[in-house]
Amino acid sequence: AQKVTQAQTEISVVEKEDVTLDCVYETRDTTYYLFWYKQPPSGELVFLIRRNSFDEQNEISGRYSWNFQKSTSSFNFTITASQVVDSAVYLCALREASGTYKYIFGTGTRLKVLA
Amino acid sequence: EAGVVQSPRYKIIEKKQPVAFWCNPISGHNTLYWYLQNLGQGPELLIRYENEEAVDDSQLPKDRFSAERLKGVDSTLKIQPAELGDSAVYLCASSLTGGSTEQYFGPGTRLTVT
Repeated sequence: AQKVTQAQTEISVVEKEDVTLDCVYETRDTTYYLFWYKQPPSGELVFLIRRNSFDEQNEISGRYSWNFQKSTSSFNFTITASQVVDSAVYLCALREASGTYKYIFGTGTRLKVLA
Repeated sequence: EAGVVQSPRYKIIEKKQPVAFWCNPISGHNTLYWYLQNLGQGPELLIRYENEEAVDDSQLPKDRFSAERLKGVDSTLKIQPAELGDSAVYLCASSLTGGSTEQYFGPGTRLTVT
């Protein structure tokens, strides 16, 4: 069965601190996709990144970086020098490459960045 | 390009009343999804449409929930009658095809049942 675990329910940091959000997944598929979404208080899901299972290169986009490790089934997300505008719920998701194409979401991590 | 449009954004109803949510996907997107997001949880798929056909409705509680996408474009999700436990955010998403790796989400409808 597929599963995504975000063990951190809520994290609070002070502005300019670095913060890492953890995501651990389970799947029997050899081909799959991993995603991170940001969900601000307004509710919509904002796409941040997609990774396929064959690409383990880490990625950096501005203050955001992602560490994908198949050996530990983890896809962690780091925000460097956090800002108040980063406050939101962050959702990690897994999608199989075939079959139902269903997204399996984690329960999300609520990040609070304090000024 | 316009994103996924949902209405209403917020709805408050009394239990046992009916309620309907509307979604207009991104133009040209054949696949449409309805998700349910309970407080403190991630979204869970209710139903997936390929054009006008519901190809995965295994998670839709069919005793009170129904959905339609008659012309393969916009879609309506209905609950009748609503229960207190239905209070949640209902998200609509669309993708070019079912195999597309990216889904685009609408802003959601926040339902409160009193």
